[in-house]
Amino acid sequence: AQKITQTQPGMFVQEKEAVTLDCTYDTSDQSYGLFWYKQPSSGEMIFLIYQGSYDEQNATEGRYSLNFQKARKSANLVISASQLGDSAMYFCAMRGSGNQFYFGTGTSLTVIP
Amino acid sequence: NAGVTQTPKFQVLKTGQSMTLQCAQDMNHNSMYWYRQDPGMGLRLIYYSASEGTTDKGEVPNGYNVSRLNKREFSLRLESAAPSQTSVYFCASSETLAGVKNIQYFGAGTRLSVL
Repeated sequence: AQKITQTQPGMFVQEKEAVTLDCTYDTSDQSYGLFWYKQPSSGEMIFLIYQGSYDEQNATEGRYSLNFQKARKSANLVISASQLGDSAMYFCAMRGSGNQFYFGTGTSLTVIP
Repeated sequence: NAGVTQTPKFQVLKTGQSMTLQCAQDMNHNSMYWYRQDPGMGLRLIYYSASEGTTDKGEVPNGYNVSRLNKREFSLRLESAAPSQTSVYFCASSETLAGVKNIQYFGAGTRLSVL
């Protein structure tokens, strides 16, 4: 069975500091994709970053990077230089060989000025 | 640049009433999806459409029907609403269903309350 686990219900970070949001996954597929989405208080889901299971390098998109550790089955999101606008819910998701897309339960991030 | 547009944004129904949630995308995507989001449970897939003319059940399809009207539009229908269907509903689209790099783009959501 495919599963995404986010163990941090809530996180706090000081403005301008870096923060890591944890995500572990479970799959027996060899080929899979991992995604992070941001959901601000306005409610929309915003795609942030993607990592493929066969990608040799960790994905980066601006201030977002994905710390991909395949053997540990983890795909942590690192946000550098946090900004007040980063306060939101963050969801980790996975797509395997089937046609389903699995989401974690989310982590609420609060950036403190 | 509209992306994925959902209507309505808010809706209150009485138990047993029916309604249709509308979704349209302007990105020329082949695949479209309906999710529900409940507190503490993340998003769960209700139905998806790999391409125009096809629909398939996701994780939680009971109590819902869908129609892929054309390439742009994918509607979700509640025939007889129940309080358990109180949720936030999201429509999403992606270029294709194939491949693991399946980046989905979401609408703003519909907040539905069933009394």
